[in-house]
Amino acid sequence: DIQMTQSPSSLSASIGDRVSISCRASQSIITYLNWYQQKPGKAPKLLIYGASSLQSGVPSRFSGSGSGTDFTLTIRSLQPEDCATYYCQQSYSTPRTFGQGTKVEIK
Amino acid sequence: EVQLEQSGAEVKKPGESLKISCKGSGYSLTNYWIAWVRQMPGKGLEWMGIIYPGDSYTLYSPSFQGQVTISADKSSSTAYLQWSSLKASDTAIYYCATSRSSSHYYYMDVWGTGTTVTVSS
Repeated sequence: DIQMTQSPSSLSASIGDRVSISCRASQSIITYLNWYQQKPGKAPKLLIYGASSLQSGVPSRFSGSGSGTDFTLTIRSLQPEDCATYYCQQSYSTPRTFGQGTKVEIK
Repeated sequence: EVQLEQSGAEVKKPGESLKISCKGSGYSLTNYWIAWVRQMPGKGLEWMGIIYPGDSYTLYSPSFQGQVTISADKSSSTAYLQWSSLKASDTAIYYCATSRSSSHYYYMDVWGTGTTVTVSS
């Protein structure tokens, strides 16, 4: 199985801050990397697929980058509604493993 | 609009069997893969497996192979996740999601609301 490791596990930032979350794969996954947002009590929501393609309807302050083993999700200007847990997931091979999640809180 | 409707919360005893469902509407379930994802209390997401309802071809995560059975009925656009003998450690929320692709990238873009399974004596 491909192991996905996110950092940090949690972070606290102010409204308007630029926030970055890292995701590292245990082997190259080229750009087969998705990002999801999960708010408490809700199902996950797809934000980014193919490492950098923004899902329809997702605000443009979200962006993804990276290739190979290192990837980043960036929130350009943090908003109150961005308080959530974010997960990366590789879709290079099955099982399509997730990272352990990064909890984003508002300072 | 594509939607996935999951069956309601279940409370079961260890050793009991269970089958939960995920019904698609707004599109033909046979056109897309359906994945199942587990979320244990206070924990992260775990990919369990995936099924193509058109021919019931199924792939399991090694962590869940032999522990659960994923199936589908294309005539009713419904996918299923079942256990023959539940354990307390099966207590979790189980999500189904469509696994679709664009330019060879697979992603889960439509999710059910989740089915909470509680196993307790």
